Amino acid sequence: LAKTTQPISMDSYEGQEVNITCSHNNIATNDYITWYQQFPSQGPRFIIQGYKTKVTNEVASLFIPADRKSSTLSLPRVSLSDTAVYYCLILTGGGNKLTFGTGTQLKVEL
Amino acid sequence: DVKVTQSSRYLVKRTGEKVFLECVQDMDHENMFWYRQDPGLGLRLIYFSYDVKMKEKGDIPEGYSVSREKKERFSLILESASTNQTSMYLCASSLGAKNIQYFGAGTRLSVL
Repeated sequence: LAKTTQPISMDSYEGQEVNITCSHNNIATNDYITWYQQFPSQGPRFIIQGYKTKVTNEVASLFIPADRKSSTLSLPRVSLSDTAVYYCLILTGGGNKLTFGTGTQLKVEL
Repeated sequence: DVKVTQSSRYLVKRTGEKVFLECVQDMDHENMFWYRQDPGLGLRLIYFSYDVKMKEKGDIPEGYSVSREKKERFSLILESASTNQTSMYLCASSLGAKNIQYFGAGTRLSVL
């Protein structure tokens, strides 16, 4: 069974860059790595998706090494409103199994 | 904007009751999913569907069934609710291979 691991929690201060890593073995070939953000009492919300190397959008960057056994979500200059739980989602087991990471609680302070 | 609507935000049921959780999406997505979310366990996939009248078991299907009679609607059914099914239930939909999932706000179910 594939295992997806993230740090349980991270603390940061406003204005800092935060990097959250998701480790995943047995990722399906040609499938995407997707990151979500979740606030209390809400469903997860899409942040960014990538397949290899680096992807950047207006809110985050995603770094994926060549072996694709991990990925790193990078949030530049976080603010208090970035306090949330962050999940990675991958397809494993040959592409027919969805696995969410364990989630990382990010707390941003002044 | 994609909209995924879950019929109830909060639900209280008694042990042994049959419970229906409804989910509707308005973006013609092929794929729909049901998850439950519990503290310390993250999101766990119960069932998913890649087409009308099609369903696949996820990681924890025991005690649940689903129905997808129309493309936009995916229902989760608890045939005989038990206290260990008290949880937050999340529905999602997605389109195509990239599978970017859009989630509803969730239904917090309490089984007494």
